[in-house]
Amino acid sequence: DQQVKQNSPSLSVQEGRISILNCDYTNSMFDYFLWYKKYPAEGPTFLISISSIKDKNEDGRFTVFLNKSAKHLSLHIVPSQPGDSAVYFCAASAAYKYIFGTGTRLKVLA
Amino acid sequence: DAGVIQSPRHEVTEMGQEVTLRCKPISGHNSLFWYRQTMMRGLELLIYFNNNVPIDDSGMPEDRFSAKMPNASFSTLKIQPSEPRDSAVYFCASSFPERERTETQYFGPGTRLLVL
Repeated sequence: DQQVKQNSPSLSVQEGRISILNCDYTNSMFDYFLWYKKYPAEGPTFLISISSIKDKNEDGRFTVFLNKSAKHLSLHIVPSQPGDSAVYFCAASAAYKYIFGTGTRLKVLA
Repeated sequence: DAGVIQSPRHEVTEMGQEVTLRCKPISGHNSLFWYRQTMMRGLELLIYFNNNVPIDDSGMPEDRFSAKMPNASFSTLKIQPSEPRDSAVYFCASSFPERERTETQYFGPGTRLLVL
């Protein structure tokens, strides 16, 4: 039973447009949410996070939105750049434990 | 900072052989995690150490898997005997929750294991 789901395995977006990656979770005990980016042959790298007491966190081109009532979070990348092409994992945390989704492969087309 | 270091980066072995994966966490980090990544299940937590002590090994799939952390700068994940279904990418990550507000985990580059 997957507690964190990324239902879109892949997404293609034109350079300069907005990329929206989605993530759903089932456990209301999660109090912290993160997005990681992963390039081939590298480990995941931390991108942005949000606490459950907030509904939005912004860092440059990246914004994470949290809708607790819907148990849904999303990552917006504006504007998208070819270098953003990677696999994006969302993760939900309760204490030390991260539960990851299966990832969404983003391809930004030049 | 060198980041989390893992070795080997690639390992090809035959079924039944012992496999040992190694990890050096970021200096000063007191939490260490081993993950396995597969296409079907994504990133799964195998085991979590805090201050060199295993806290949660509920993700270790079978008795064939074991992990140790003899000191703050070194950990191993051993599979014995290995099976083809163990083929995956194994990641090590470390963090220092007391210092980092965000409890960020920093991942190593991974070990790609192929069991024939």
